[in-house]
Amino acid sequence: KAGVTQTPRYLIKTRGQQVTLSCSPISGHRSVSWYQQTPGQGLQFLFEYFSETQRNKGNFPGRFSGRQFSNSRSEMNVSTLELGDSALYLCASSITGGNTEAFFGQGTRLTVV
Amino acid sequence: GQSLEQPSEVTAVEGAIVQINCTYQTSGFYGLSWYQQHDGGAPTFLSYNALDGLEETGRFSSFLSRSDSYGYLLLQELQMKDSASYFCAVRAMDSNYQLIWGAGTKLIIKP
Repeated sequence: KAGVTQTPRYLIKTRGQQVTLSCSPISGHRSVSWYQQTPGQGLQFLFEYFSETQRNKGNFPGRFSGRQFSNSRSEMNVSTLELGDSALYLCASSITGGNTEAFFGQGTRLTVV
Repeated sequence: GQSLEQPSEVTAVEGAIVQINCTYQTSGFYGLSWYQQHDGGAPTFLSYNALDGLEETGRFSSFLSRSDSYGYLLLQELQMKDSASYFCAVRAMDSNYQLIWGAGTKLIIKP
């Protein structure tokens, strides 16, 4: 059974640009959550999608958005990139989102220069 | 608001036992999870406690006291491969059941 796949693994962008990250959850998992992780910090929750609907949203500005497709694959988009957006972006999938265990992808490391 | 506190760093010797504590403040507590993350890797699930008491899974055990808003992860017979960051995470009603994460504890193991 394939795990959670995130693409790309690494990305370098310039301030002001936008970026789209992709996450393919484990087959059969309908919930995808996105997190931002910076050095020395825990995981900051961005949003959760379930059955193509955003079910929960963290405290991030509107520049951060996402969507989920009918096959449960999810994308997140960050517009007007800032230096502070440099981080590891992780997605996690679970069967329903309320499960005790979430399965994480390897993450996309975004560097904004 | 919600908050979780765990030590930023713990050092132990190979073969020893180490305990990583986590205290939390939240409303409508649902459960406490522990995850391990190696440098450059993805967090992986270790354990989950919803009820008071000790849960044991091999060399790892996790404990919860709901009345004290406190839990810990116990690692026994430490191996060098256990060097990693360990995160506690709480699922609670006031976070709409999303996981709220601690900042992580970096476990350093010395031979």
